[in-house]
Amino acid sequence: RKEVEQDPGPFNVPEGATVAFNCTYSNSASQSFFWYRQDCRKEPKLLMSVYSSGNEDGRFTAQLNRASQYISLLIRDSKLSDSATYLCVVKGRWGSARQLTFGSGTQLTVLP
Amino acid sequence: NAGVTQTPKFQVLKTGQSMTLQCAQDMNHEYMSWYRQDPGMGLRLIHYSVGAGITDQGEVPNGYNVSRSTTEDFPLRLLSAAPSQTSVYFCASTSRGGANEKLFFGSGTQLSVL
Repeated sequence: RKEVEQDPGPFNVPEGATVAFNCTYSNSASQSFFWYRQDCRKEPKLLMSVYSSGNEDGRFTAQLNRASQYISLLIRDSKLSDSATYLCVVKGRWGSARQLTFGSGTQLTVLP
Repeated sequence: NAGVTQTPKFQVLKTGQSMTLQCAQDMNHEYMSWYRQDPGMGLRLIHYSVGAGITDQGEVPNGYNVSRSTTEDFPLRLLSAAPSQTSVYFCASTSRGGANEKLFFGSGTQLSVL
């Protein structure tokens, strides 16, 4: 089983739709969680950190469920510019870079 | 402020050739790392460094060497290129901070080994 698993998609949604991605992780000791966005042939960029209480940044909402070991990303009112691959990243204790694990990404295409 | 600068952007090698991928950051970050990204596999850690003079192996270190003589630079050397090393390589850096520190990535190097 992969340490971090994501549905690869692709998710093809119309503009204005709401779309949700899930990510599961296997290491229960994981402490920090992130969503990164990667545009085609570009470097990943941090979209948002994921906090235990859940957090929102504009149209984006991230949730963490420690009991079930998954995190989610909800995108409301999708824009064409949201088309990208979304990477789930899970991190253990700081000081051990080996514990930063990337999912393989979920591809989103927002259609006009 | 350039952030993380990675060169070259593209490279084609023949099997057995060696080369160095350059990475430099101007943010005074302690932590730097190299990843490779292959289809369907996510980013995998090759080597990392937590400060000048300190390096360690990641998940897939075989066939690669690194050194960290300064805080700014973290070059990745391919000793004898193999077709299995065809991939996209990213350098990244971050400050040693709290749990939610942000990784800054270079723009990537697309490497093909024939």
